[in-house]
Amino acid sequence: GAGVSQSPSNKVTEKGKDVELRCDPISGHTALYWYRQRLGQGLEFLIYFQGNSAPDKSGLPSDRFSAERTGESVSTLTIQRTQQEDSAVYLCASRDRASTDTQYFGPGTRLTVL
Amino acid sequence: AQKVTQAQTEISVVEKEDVTLDCVYETRDTTYYLFWYKQPPSGELVFLIRRNSFDEQNEISGRYSWNFQKSTSSFNFTITASQVVDSAVYFCALSEGFSGGYNKLIFGAGTRLAVHP
Repeated sequence: GAGVSQSPSNKVTEKGKDVELRCDPISGHTALYWYRQRLGQGLEFLIYFQGNSAPDKSGLPSDRFSAERTGESVSTLTIQRTQQEDSAVYLCASRDRASTDTQYFGPGTRLTVL
Repeated sequence: AQKVTQAQTEISVVEKEDVTLDCVYETRDTTYYLFWYKQPPSGELVFLIRRNSFDEQNEISGRYSWNFQKSTSSFNFTITASQVVDSAVYFCALSEGFSGGYNKLIFGAGTRLAVHP
């Protein structure tokens, strides 16, 4: 079946602008995660959704970052007033909590802040 | 605190050599999961294996094998007879099974493997 999809695949923006990144999880997966990967580094956890609620937002780096999920499906990560240090690949993963603990990742959105 | 250490930043081998990627983890939980993911140049993370803390049996899948040793908190990954297509960054990750039930992954910094013809 279809995997996790993310859009856009690439986003170039100017410092100070807002951006929205979208994640479509695998159909039926109730758990959804956002991670950030800076160039040459490992992944950092940002936020976790179970259904439409986010019980763990501990990885969001500042109040400029927010995320929401609707219909237990699509999630949007919003970064306000982007800064150059926000440049990274943002990866989304989903997991079917009922049957497996494995997270399946999307291709990521590469964000470049000029 | 949870932590995953991949001490090897980069490894370079010639095709057909065997190579082992090291992973050492720290956790206070008795129930946890360990993972390996592959990130080829295309960037997408590919799931390779999941192990739970109660199952120390080693696993082999084709040219890939994994050695899980709780006594040394290690979960090493060996590729036998490496091929150029194995060139990628490999990440080891830890998730605590029942700490809040969230299962967020804690990643190591990754090991870049380059296999040369």
